[in-house]
Amino acid sequence: GAGVSQSPRYKVAKRGQDVALRCDPISGHVSLFWYQQALGQGPEFLTYFQNEAQLDKSGLPSDRFFAERPEGSVSTLKIQRTQQEDSAVYLCASSLIRGSSGNTIYFGEGSWLTVV
Amino acid sequence: GDSVTQMEGPVTLSEEAFLTINCTYTATGYPSLFWYVQYPGEGLQLLLKATKADDKGSNKGFEATYRKETTSFHLEKGSVQVSDSAVYFCALSAGNNRKLIWGLGTSLAVNP
Repeated sequence: GAGVSQSPRYKVAKRGQDVALRCDPISGHVSLFWYQQALGQGPEFLTYFQNEAQLDKSGLPSDRFFAERPEGSVSTLKIQRTQQEDSAVYLCASSLIRGSSGNTIYFGEGSWLTVV
Repeated sequence: GDSVTQMEGPVTLSEEAFLTINCTYTATGYPSLFWYVQYPGEGLQLLLKATKADDKGSNKGFEATYRKETTSFHLEKGSVQVSDSAVYFCALSAGNNRKLIWGLGTSLAVNP
């Protein structure tokens, strides 16, 4: 497709379950970002990849959160032992070149996670 | 640390009214500034951006000027349409341009 694709769009998980959220960036995009957006809030940065290298993971809230992009294209955000506070929309974004300054970043529609 | 503050919503206007959504920021260095829009049921889209002081970003009739002296990047449109109803987010680049810092978003509803 032409845009950033995320799956699943909606996920309900029981507390303690592991979840995996997938992101297909725009083909050829070097940079990939994950953000977390709680209801009524702005997005919060989680992590950044340049190709397959995870250059910044300072926003991951705990060691239960893990992201990978092994071949420099598709990325997976994994949340282990989900807690209710993990309920949010998880946004993936990509851009053609490095970083976010002045570059157009394209966002997916998000994966809505509800932990019950 | 770096932060963005934007006016709270919701903002409700009649069609053809003038729109201003205030955005101020705190940052070290010289960040780039962005306005993103999220239409109902869609993902975030870049609306406009400015990369240095006094730059004016514009798109679809919207404008915002990067004001370093007032650390502001207010969004304006002279005549809003029903189709402009959306949530608008102000953001700045930070962390060696590896991340965006976001405001909380301002919901705009335009009535015919």
